[in-house]
Amino acid sequence: GESVGLHLPTLSVQEGDNSIINCAYSNSASDYFIWYKQESGKGPQFIIDIRSNMDKRQGQRVTVLLNKTVKHLSLQIAATQPGDSAVYFCAEKVRERGATNKLIFGTGTLLAVQP
Amino acid sequence: GAGVSQTPSNKVTEKGKYVELRCDPISGHTALYWYRQSLGQGPEFLIYFQGTGAADDSGLPNDRFFAVRPEGSVSTLKIQRTERGDSAVYLCASSQGQGNTEAFFGQGTRLTVV
Repeated sequence: GESVGLHLPTLSVQEGDNSIINCAYSNSASDYFIWYKQESGKGPQFIIDIRSNMDKRQGQRVTVLLNKTVKHLSLQIAATQPGDSAVYFCAEKVRERGATNKLIFGTGTLLAVQP
Repeated sequence: GAGVSQTPSNKVTEKGKYVELRCDPISGHTALYWYRQSLGQGPEFLIYFQGTGAADDSGLPNDRFFAVRPEGSVSTLKIQRTERGDSAVYLCASSQGQGNTEAFFGQGTRLTVV
């Protein structure tokens, strides 16, 4: 079936550097995407979202880029901090069977920030 | 409440037993989702409620799994005749309604079937 996937299972960066986490999706009908951060023992925490009519959206220290041509999503974290260490998931809202709001998650990327 | 609340936080049960997992969504959120997450994997969709009705239950793995939301707020995920393969973290999320709005997750219930 169609799914969302991540290229890199683990990403190690130095504190203060910028991080880029990538995600590929395969459902061209999806119109909404979300990045979540999940720390050990906790539920996923919303970071930033983007609708398919946008190419870029910025938040505080984070930027999401959407390339619909190649079905690619990325999360950029500026000045990465130790507190950013976590697993990051991209999620895709699939439009099937009418108005369902089902989110499909990828397998995640572990971001390890080295001090 | 301030966020999505799930109880219990941990549940250990014997194979073959029945379990119920509870989710209290954010007040006023009409959409509620259940997901299951195995170690090292992303959350896997189980079921989605809009109000009291299950709008999409395509993720329930088999008929041992059932969920209800009788008053459009609290939801209960019920698992009959539990199997060791049901061991996972069960996550609940809620959002304000239909359309593209962010979903807020609870801390999850870690279910262990022994």
